[in-house]
Amino acid sequence: AQSVTQPDIHITVSEGASLELRCNYSYGATPYLFWYVQSPGQGLQLLLKYFSGDTLVQGIKGFEAEFKRSQSSFNLRKPSVHWSDAAEYFCAVGAPSGAGSYQLTFGKGTKLSVIP
Amino acid sequence: GAGVSQSPSNKVTEKGKDVELRCDPISGHTALYWYRQSLGQGLEFLIYFQGNSAPDKSGLPSDRFSAERTGGSVSTLTIQRTQQEDSAVYLCASSPRGFSNYGYTFGSGTRLTVV
Repeated sequence: AQSVTQPDIHITVSEGASLELRCNYSYGATPYLFWYVQSPGQGLQLLLKYFSGDTLVQGIKGFEAEFKRSQSSFNLRKPSVHWSDAAEYFCAVGAPSGAGSYQLTFGKGTKLSVIP
Repeated sequence: GAGVSQSPSNKVTEKGKDVELRCDPISGHTALYWYRQSLGQGLEFLIYFQGNSAPDKSGLPSDRFSAERTGGSVSTLTIQRTQQEDSAVYLCASSPRGFSNYGYTFGSGTRLTVV
């Protein structure tokens, strides 16, 4: 069965600083990988995804993530954080399930605080 | 609709009562998922519907939990004889058939508080 580890429960960065959120996964085949963001009281919004091809993927809001098979990692990065990026971030791995769809397994999330 | 709609957005219930949570997926999405989000626990998979196939109920934590999806669209998650440990945010998501290019689309959730 697949699993996801997000080692950092809470990260605080200053506005304008760079950001890297770590994600490690465990899955026996080529993974489908996702990053979601959740603002307080809101549902989850997809930031970016990796299915295949280029290992550096670009997402919304200036985020990017790099898939490194050798390290089983899919870390999320942003070169300059804005105060509005304060939220909780979830990494997920997707495994194919029946009837042509897939099931996501989520990490426990990393809460990002931004200091003005 | 334009997005996944969940109702109610908040529900407070007394221990021992039954509750029903509703999810209206994006029109045309054949796959529908329920997750539970408890404080500090991340998202826990509950149940998955795909078209007319038998649902994957492997994540339901006890037989007090059940879900149905009528007409391949709206889904209802029912919790019977609620307990305080059922307090959580219940999230619904939908996706198109096949390996979607969009991932799941989540609703805003129902926050359930059992007192």
